[in-house]
This record gives sequence, C-alpha cells and structure tokens, in this order.
Amino acid sequence: GESVGLHLPTLSVQEGDNSIINCAYSNSASDYFIWYKQESGKGPQFIIDIRSNMDKRQGQRVTVLLNKTVKHLSLQIAATQPGDSAVYFCAEKEWGNQFYFGTGTSLTVIP
Amino acid sequence: EAQVTQNPRYLITVTGKKLTVTCSQNMNHEYMSWYRQDPGLGLRQIYYSMNVEVTDKGDVPEGYKVSRKEKRNFPLILESPSPNQTSLYFCASSLSGENTEAFFGQGTRLTVV
Repeated sequence: GESVGLHLPTLSVQEGDNSIINCAYSNSASDYFIWYKQESGKGPQFIIDIRSNMDKRQGQRVTVLLNKTVKHLSLQIAATQPGDSAVYFCAEKEWGNQFYFGTGTSLTVIP
Repeated sequence: EAQVTQNPRYLITVTGKKLTVTCSQNMNHEYMSWYRQDPGLGLRQIYYSMNVEVTDKGDVPEGYKVSRKEKRNFPLILESPSPNQTSLYFCASSLSGENTEAFFGQGTRLTVV
C-alpha cells in the first residue's frame, strides 16, 4: 500500500507564531494532495489542496508547499490561533485511485 | 446545508450481532467511501463507491459489506462484528472519483464487546 507519513507527531507553538506541519509521501504517481484538520470529536475538515502541477498554493492564513523532487508536502499556518489546535492530516491521491492518509500531527497552540 | 450524515454517532454491540451504520449525503456526489480511524494508523479506507451500484474494496474490507442502491446513501454493514472492529468510522463523499476534496461525516464510534 501507499505510505504517507508525518515527520513530527506533535507540535506546540505560541499563539501568533507561524506553524509548519510536514508530510512525506512515497507514491511518485500521486497527483493530488489535501490537508485536513480534525478537531476532537469531529470528522476531518478540508483546509487546502494542491495538484501536482503546482508547487505552492495559498488560502486564508494557510499555504501548502509541494516538493515533488523529494516527495514532501508542508502546511504553513500564519499567526496561529488557539482555534487552530487540532490534528492535521495530509492525504495523497493518484488519479482514479483512492485517497491515502497520513497518521496525523497534533498541533497545540499555547495562549 | 451541504453535509454528510452518519447514524448512529455511538454504538456498543456484542460480538456476532449484525449491525448497519447509515451514511447519507445531500450534495449529489457520485463518490462515497468509508474509513476507519485507529490510533497510530490514521484513516484507512474500507470500501468506496464510484457511483450507484458500483462498489470496490479499499485497504481493509474484511468483515465489512456495503451497498449503493441510491446515489445519496452508502450504508456500512457488519454481518458478524468482532472486537477488532472496534473503531471510529467515517463516511465521506466527493463530487466524483477524480481529484476533488472529500467531505466527511461526524463519525460513528463503534465498540464491539
């Protein structure tokens, strides 16, 4: 099966600082990537996605960077807020195939 | 409101007693799927459906069945639940099987004793 992993299982940041969550993937044929946020007791929520023909995409306070050379994905959250505390998952997908999810990184924002 | 609805949210059952977890979406999505989430293992796909009457196995299909008789519904059936199926289950839907985001339900926490 596919292997999608995260470099750090937990991350603590001060409120107002920027957060960076990393993800490694192994399938070079994957062409679509998503970051999800999961708060306690809830289902995963879409944050941002990126296709393999791009290396950067920005949303509101979030940026996803894709480095296909080293098969690495990162999520940057600007001015992290307490409401950003959650588990973050990356997911990869090859066209016509299923999603594969990483095991998640737990982000804790310290007020 | 666009959503994926799962029922029940919580369920405790005994080994061997058949159960069904329902999933319904109101977004006219073609693609639906079921995942289980276990500590340290992330989300693993059980079954998925590209459209009505089309279902395929995911990574961990053993012990589960699904059906897709209507576009909006995708029930997960455990014919004879076992304790190793104790988990948190999520249903998700996407516009199509192509590269689009998946919308998740709130989850069903199942305990099999």
